Amino acid sequence: EDQVTQSPEALRLQEGESSSLNCSYTVSGLRGLFWYRQDPGKGPEFLFTLYSAGEEKEKERLKATLTKKESFLHITAPKPEDSATYLCAVQGGANNLFFGTGTRLTVIP
Amino acid sequence: DSGVTQTPKHLITATGQRVTLRCSPRSGDLSVYWYQQSLDQGLQFLIHYYNGEERAKGNILERFSAQQFPDLHSELNLSSLELGDSALYFCASSVDPAGEETQYFGPGTRLLVL
Repeated sequence: EDQVTQSPEALRLQEGESSSLNCSYTVSGLRGLFWYRQDPGKGPEFLFTLYSAGEEKEKERLKATLTKKESFLHITAPKPEDSATYLCAVQGGANNLFFGTGTRLTVIP
Repeated sequence: DSGVTQTPKHLITATGQRVTLRCSPRSGDLSVYWYQQSLDQGLQFLIHYYNGEERAKGNILERFSAQQFPDLHSELNLSSLELGDSALYFCASSVDPAGEETQYFGPGTRLLVL
């Protein structure tokens, strides 16, 4: 069965304090791993798609990496506006997206 | 703004009632997905339509049904509502039938069942 586990559940960082969020997954035939950002009460906003182990993508202060078992979302020198819940999702052979429960990030000024 | 629209934004109703949630996908997107997000669970995939045809079902209850119309908008019907159906319901759209392209999410409909 497809499974996605995100850690930590919550993370508090000082502004400028870099860190990483983890997404461990089990899926039959990975077709893609997706990272989304979600603000309270709003729909998830797409960040990255990774398709194969070793792939990396960057956008502003965020960098996503992928191995055969997990993905990391690295946040470099975060700002308060980076505060949100970050969701990881995998797409396997069934084509459906299977989401983790997210990491709630708070960046303190 | 993702380009996906959902109505209504908020819905308050009573147990046993039936409601309809509406979603308009981004221009050009043929796939529509429905998700449920409750406080104690993450986003749960409900159902996927492509160009009017059902493509995949997830954790969708028998009391729930959906359809996609010729103009590509979709409706999610929830009937015999229970307290536990209170949640955020999101619609997402993508270009391709397999969902391998990015799914873009709408702002959601917040359903409260009293």
